[in-house]
Amino acid sequence: KQEVTQIPAALSVPEGENLVLNCSFTDSAIYNLQWFRQDPGKGLTSLLLIQSSQREQTSGRLNASLDKSSGRSTLYIAASQPGDSATYLCAVGGSARQLTFGSGTQLTVLP
Amino acid sequence: DVKVTQSSRYLVKRTGEKVFLECVQDMDHENMFWYRQDPGLGLRLIYFSYDVKMKEKGDIPEGYSVSREKKERFSLILESASTNQTSMYLCASRYKTSGISDTQYFGPGTRLTVL
Repeated sequence: KQEVTQIPAALSVPEGENLVLNCSFTDSAIYNLQWFRQDPGKGLTSLLLIQSSQREQTSGRLNASLDKSSGRSTLYIAASQPGDSATYLCAVGGSARQLTFGSGTQLTVLP
Repeated sequence: DVKVTQSSRYLVKRTGEKVFLECVQDMDHENMFWYRQDPGLGLRLIYFSYDVKMKEKGDIPEGYSVSREKKERFSLILESASTNQTSMYLCASRYKTSGISDTQYFGPGTRLTVL
């Protein structure tokens, strides 16, 4: 059974810093990997989706990478801002229909 | 933009009550999903539906049932609510499964408390 781990569970950085969030998964036979953002008490917003054949995806200040062989993905946030404060969730698509989620990294960007 | 709405943001029910959580999407998506989210456990899939009238169990279906009579609406039913079903419930939709790579779009969530 696929297991997805995100470390650290919480991270606090000063504004302007570049940072990396980590995601690891146990079964490399994946179809895709997605990064989501969740604000307190709200639903999830999709940030980036990487298909299994891709190595990375970029959107604005965000860059996500995927290394299937090692079972790892990273989300890089450049020049962090207080508005980036949220919980970031990694989810692995292992079949045509289901995602397996990590528990998330709670990010706080201090002004 | 895709819009996924859930009938209630907050709900308080008593043990043993029958509870209906409604989810509606406006983009003609074939697939719909119900998850629950608990601290330290992440999101766990309860049920999903490929299309109208179709349903499949996810990882934690016990104590729940679902209904998909119309394409835009997916209902989660707690037949007899229990305190361990206190949680945040999130609905999601996806265009279809054929591409596998399509993203899921989430609603705002319903925070259910069972007393």
